[in-house]
Amino acid sequence: AQTVTQSQPEMSVQEAETVTLSCTYDTSESDYYLFWYKQPPSRQMILVIRQEAYKQQNATENRFSVNFQKAAKSFSLKISDSQLGDAAMYFCAYSADSNYQLIWGAGTKLIIKP
Amino acid sequence: GAGVSQSPRYKVAKRGQDVALRCDPISGHVSLFWYQQALGQGPEFLTYFQNEAQLDKSGLPSDRFFAERPEGSVSTLKIQRTQQEDSAVYLCASSLVSGASTDTQYFGPGTRLTVL
Repeated sequence: AQTVTQSQPEMSVQEAETVTLSCTYDTSESDYYLFWYKQPPSRQMILVIRQEAYKQQNATENRFSVNFQKAAKSFSLKISDSQLGDAAMYFCAYSADSNYQLIWGAGTKLIIKP
Repeated sequence: GAGVSQSPRYKVAKRGQDVALRCDPISGHVSLFWYQQALGQGPEFLTYFQNEAQLDKSGLPSDRFFAERPEGSVSTLKIQRTQQEDSAVYLCASSLVSGASTDTQYFGPGTRLTVL
């Protein structure tokens, strides 16, 4: 069975600095997708970034980038120039290719210090 | 509407009561998902609709949980004879087409259910 593990329950970073959130996963599939979602205190989950496993190039979205290490089954999220609005729970999620079911990690709470 | 909406936002029920949670997906979205998110945990998949067809209900924890989407738009998640372990945030998400991994899921704000 596929699993997703986020080992950091909470992380804090100074505003304008860079922070990396960790995620590892376990799967026997060769084709799959990985996601980072953000859940602010209002609870609306928002997709931050998506990575297709068959793509070697790491996905980037403005200040957000991933470090995808397929052999190590690691998928970390780097947030550059942290802003107060980045404070939220961040969830790592996995789905097998063409499968709608998302399997989620337990989340990491990100605190931004002004 | 502009996004997925859910109502009520908060629901308190006495143990044994029935509850109904509503989800209004983004207009035109074919796929609709329900998730259960316990406190301090990530969401867990409950069920999936494509239009009015419930294609997967493998995540429903018991036969007390029932979901429907009769006209392929609004969906209702019903929980009968609520138990304390049902206390959680129930999230609804919709996606434009098939629900495959290439299709972004858009989430509502959730309904926080507390069973006393």
